Order: sequence, then C-alpha cells, then structure tokens
Amino acid sequence: QSALTQPASVSGSPGQSITISCTGTSSDVGGYNYVSWYQQYPGKAPKLMIYDVSYRPSGVSNRFSGSKSGNTASLTISGLQAEDEADYYCSSYTSSSIFVFGTGTKVTVL
Amino acid sequence: QVQLQQWGAGLLKPSETLSLTCGVYGGSFSGNYWGWIRQPPGKGLEWIGEINHSGSTNYNPSLKSRVTISLDTSKNQFSLNLSSVTAADTAVYYCARRTGAQFRTTYYYYYYMDVWGKGTTVTVSS
Repeated sequence: QSALTQPASVSGSPGQSITISCTGTSSDVGGYNYVSWYQQYPGKAPKLMIYDVSYRPSGVSNRFSGSKSGNTASLTISGLQAEDEADYYCSSYTSSSIFVFGTGTKVTVL
Repeated sequence: QVQLQQWGAGLLKPSETLSLTCGVYGGSFSGNYWGWIRQPPGKGLEWIGEINHSGSTNYNPSLKSRVTISLDTSKNQFSLNLSSVTAADTAVYYCARRTGAQFRTTYYYYYYMDVWGKGTTVTVSS
C-alpha cells in the first residue's frame, strides 16, 4: 500500500486561504469517505483536525475544512494564522482494511 | 477524557525485539480499536496496526511478519512487539485510539485516530 501523495510544502500570508491536496487511488481515498487530516507540530503528537472527509471534531476551528473529489481529498485552511504553521498529514481507510497516511505537507505562514 | 501513556525501551541493537506498552486512562477500553503508528526521523507517519477490545487485529502488510499487537484488559493496556529490528525501524512510535460506538450488541468503529499518546523515541543502533 503506497503512501498518499501530498505536496511537500504550501505557504501563504496571514489571512489568506491555502489548500493541501491528498491523492490516492480508488482503493483508498476514492473508494471510501474515510479521509482524515492531522496537524503535527515539531516534537508533538499528531492532532485530528478533520474526519470522514469534511467533519470537524469539537474544538477545531471552523477555519479548517475538508472535501473530496474522485481520488483526491483536500484540506483548506482559511484566514491563515501564524499558529497554523505545522505539518499536515492526510489518512485514508483502504480496501485492505488498513490505514495509509499521506506523505505530509509543511505549511509555512509567510 | 481518555489519555494514553506509553513506555518501553528506547535503545535497541539490530535483531532485537522492540516492545512498547500503552496504558489507557480515564476512559473505556471496550468499544475501541487501539493502534500503533510510527514516524522515522524527518519523515512521515506510517500505520503499523491495531487491536480491538476483543483481540481482533489488523496489521500493515509491510510489517505483518514481524509485528504482534496484544492487549491486557485487566490493566487497560495494549502492547506492540516488533521483532528483528534494524536501523530502518528507528522512529518515534505513537499509540492511538480509533473509537467506535455500540448499537445494541454490535460495535461500529470510526475510521480515524482521535486520541494519541505523546510518542516514544526508539533508536536501533549497534
């Protein structure tokens, strides 16, 4: 099972919106609405930001939103803030009954 | 609020067995899958496997021949064993919960990890 493909880095200025893509196959992203997104600060554990493609856990800012089209899922951060600078990983359930993570994207706030 | 506390040996020699344990505090052990994820230095996350309260397991095929995940329900703990380690197994290892819900007599599990341990750094070096 290959890792899902994410851009290595995405950057934006404060207040702007950015979108991170996560590309898989019909056996993972495209086959299930079970894509989740995690935020990770250096030296810290990942934190769940989006689950089931577009749902936010309680306590997560509504500036974070998710969507999916075909084999590609996306995470959008609107109103970019300095605290959003972190690594972001997507994950998907797969037809093999396992999970696969994305390659990770470093978000930089300019 | 569920918290996961993990521990285990941090330095191993090649060919030894990695053993980590994760304790579940402040919540129910039942009705969840309990899993392990690792992250090599400077790299991305890799899902290792999981076990539910009934002992049913799922493993990453790339590691399946060397991985065993077990649980001790009396202590609300679950463990990871990874045999024949090499330098490629050097990573931060995280335990995590994949929660679910019970409807009548059936458990339905969600497809995300919502609670994570702080991570344990494991280094394999001769």
